[in-house]
Formats: sequence, structure tokens, C-alpha cells
Amino acid sequence: RKEVEQDPGPFNVPEGATVAFNCTYSNSASQSFFWYRQDCRKEPKLLMSVYSSGNEDGRFTAQLNRASQYISLLIRDSKLSDSATYLCVVRAGGTSYGKLTFGQGTILTVHP
Amino acid sequence: DAMVIQNPRYQVTQFGKPVTLSCSQTLNHNVMYWYQQKSSQAPKLLFHYYDKDFNNEADTPDNFQSRRPNTSFCFLDIRSPGLGDAAMYLCATSSLLRMNDSPLHFGNGTRLTVT
Repeated sequence: RKEVEQDPGPFNVPEGATVAFNCTYSNSASQSFFWYRQDCRKEPKLLMSVYSSGNEDGRFTAQLNRASQYISLLIRDSKLSDSATYLCVVRAGGTSYGKLTFGQGTILTVHP
Repeated sequence: DAMVIQNPRYQVTQFGKPVTLSCSQTLNHNVMYWYQQKSSQAPKLLFHYYDKDFNNEADTPDNFQSRRPNTSFCFLDIRSPGLGDAAMYLCATSSLLRMNDSPLHFGNGTRLTVT
């Protein structure tokens, strides 16, 4: 089983749609969780950290479920500019401090 | 005002010819990482430095080496590049002084081509 798994998609949605991505992780000692966005041939950029109580940033909402070991990202009112690959990133705990592992990414295309 | 700078942006090398990629940071972060990303794949961690403490991933080939002479600089050396080493190489930093919520800050990457 991969350490961090995502549905690769692609997700094709119209402008204004709501779309949700899930990400599962295998290490129950994982400490920190993030969503990154990556545009084609560019470096990943931090979209948001994921906190235990869930958190929201504008149209984006992130949730963490430690019991089931998954995190989610919800995008409301999708814009054309949201088209990108969304990467789930998990920081290991225990003796592997500092190691951040990426999921394979979920491709989102928002069309007019 | 880039905070993690990678040079060069594009590097072409010949099969078997050693190449060095460089990364510098102005964030004073104590952890620096090197990731390899191939087309349509997730970034794969090669190694990271926690201060001067070097941590190699078990599946990183011996062909890849790294140096961190000081806090600000980190180098990736590929001793004998093969065609399969063509990829985007991403340098990143984070601060483990705020461990629980310190994300990665990436440079803009070096795209390596092997001919």
C-alpha cells in the first residue's frame, strides 16, 4: 500500500461546480497535512495546511479524519483558474520527522 | 524576492557526464530537501538535511549525492546521469522549529535533460 494515495482523476467540472478530493495515508503517526497545487511544468505551491478541526480559506475547505486516516479538499464555485494538479502531502511522525510524502496528485480541469 | 532559488532553470547534460544542481535559500530554514519529479508523477524525495544531518531515502540510487556546506546552500550531484534521470529536480525548505505546521517552500525547479 502506498504511503499517501489520491484518486488521480482527471476531474472535469464546469465553472461554478463544487468538487471534492480525498487522500488517504497509511502511517497513523503522521503529524501534519497539506494541500499543494501544481500548474503544468511549475513547482508545487502551498494551497493550505489541514488542521484537526478542519479549516476554510475562501472557496477552499480542508478536513482531516484521523480515525479513518484521510484528508479532503472541497472547492466551491470552481473557477477556470482552479485547473491544476492538487497534491496531498503528509508529514511523517516518530523517527521519520521532517519527511514529507506526496500523493500522486489529482488533476482538475474546470471548463466554461 | 524569491526565497528558494534554484540554478539553473534548465540543464542539459550528456549521458554519463557529471552534473551539479544548486539551491540557495534566504529563509534560514534548518531543513532542506531534494525531490525528483518525472512527468505526470508525484515528487519523490531523494534525501533531506536536518541542519547538517543527512537523511538518504533507502531507494535513492548511489548515483545521486548531496552536499550542504552551510545553512543557505544545498547541492545535488549526479555522478553519471542516465537517460532515466531526466526529470524536474525540486529543492524545498522547511522549518522544523515549528514542526507541526511547517509546510515546504519550493524553488522553481531545475529541468534536467540527458542526451
